[in-house]
Amino acid sequence: QQPVQSPQAVILREGEDAVINCSSSKALYSVHWYRQKHGEAPVFLMILLKGGEQKGHEKISASFNEKKQQSSLYLTASQLSYSGTYFCGTYGSARQLTFGSGTQLTVLP
Amino acid sequence: GAGVSQTPSNKVTEKGKYVELRCDPISGHTALYWYRQSLGQGPEFLIYFQGTGAADDSGLPNDRFFAVRPEGSVSTLKIQRTERGDSAVYLCASSYQSSGANVLTFGAGSRLTVL
Repeated sequence: QQPVQSPQAVILREGEDAVINCSSSKALYSVHWYRQKHGEAPVFLMILLKGGEQKGHEKISASFNEKKQQSSLYLTASQLSYSGTYFCGTYGSARQLTFGSGTQLTVLP
Repeated sequence: GAGVSQTPSNKVTEKGKYVELRCDPISGHTALYWYRQSLGQGPEFLIYFQGTGAADDSGLPNDRFFAVRPEGSVSTLKIQRTERGDSAVYLCASSYQSSGANVLTFGAGSRLTVL
């Protein structure tokens, strides 16, 4: 079942912060975050594993609440290069990565 | 190779024709995934391979879609009797293993347009 992302879109000024949320109705083993720029492939940002382990980007942080089956991606002091569509992917008992419909982030100068 | 390579990058075909899309994963990656992405949507899972076998093909929309990976490396997604609704970007990804702890590396995709 597809995870739900919010907000669907956000517009920021350079230097502002943003939070993107992802929630699932099913128990999760891990949550993945990817960013996709227009016409390009999704690029890995971060994995959050059940039990607290994280792997990923130095300048991006995220949280994973296993009980609530929710994850949030925190973008601080945003840069123009952060613009793109952010997807969370959830991995559970189905043993496949299922992506949400995305959050479109636009950073303006 | 250095990344996941997909060919062709663009394919325009007519309704009813047969199409093959190819994916060359990162060397040493045993897991290979096919996703389909429509405009404004997230990647939609189609099928994944662990080695040569299709471990999960539950996302294939119908029996017009088929994928193979005969030698555990290159994979081909085959679409028979294409329909206009098949138009989308088909993304391939590979990972070292097929577990929730492994990063997927995506190719640039094959954009299929069915006229």
